[in-house]
Amino acid sequence: QKEVEQNSGPLSVPEGAIASLNCTYSDRGSQSFFWYRQYSGKSPELIMSIYSNGDKEDGRFTAQLNKASQYVSLLIRDSQPSDSATYLCAVNTNAGKSTFGDGTTLTVKP
Amino acid sequence: ETGVTQTPRHLVMGMTNKKSLKCEQHLGHNAMYWYKQSAKKPLELMFVYSLEERVENNSVPSRFSPECPNSSHLFLHLHTLQPEDSALYLCASSQQGGSYEQYFGPGTRLTVT
Repeated sequence: QKEVEQNSGPLSVPEGAIASLNCTYSDRGSQSFFWYRQYSGKSPELIMSIYSNGDKEDGRFTAQLNKASQYVSLLIRDSQPSDSATYLCAVNTNAGKSTFGDGTTLTVKP
Repeated sequence: ETGVTQTPRHLVMGMTNKKSLKCEQHLGHNAMYWYKQSAKKPLELMFVYSLEERVENNSVPSRFSPECPNSSHLFLHLHTLQPEDSALYLCASSQQGGSYEQYFGPGTRLTVT
């Protein structure tokens, strides 16, 4: 079992829809959770961080964390073609070890 | 300069060449990372430096040799590479500790001929 698992996709949604990206992790000692966006040929950029159970909203993005289920998700509302990218989930333990998932490729169709 | 910078941005080298990749962070961080990303493949963590000491080395071949002279600079020395080493090499930095996110440089696109 991978330490951080994501559906590889591709996930395809129509413009204006909600895109839902999911991530599960195996280490119960994980404390910090991040979502990165990576456009093709570019480097990952941080878009959301979440540290406690519940929802965190930033513009069209909402991160959801459930530590009991070891699950973190990213919702993108009103999806735009410019949101088409690979989304990476990253999980940090308290000791500072950081593990990335393999990423989910999202395509938003006009 | 701000953030994390990497030079060169593109590099073509023969299998017998020796070259170095450079990374510099201007964020006051104390941990730095090298990642390899082959075409349409996931990130592969290569090396981690924390407070200038190497704390992780993920079974990387010895033809890749990292160097971290201070907390702001990280190098990756390359020699006798193989064509399968062609990839995007990404540097990242963060504060040490579990709560902190990583910031990535733009990467060096390496082609080995």
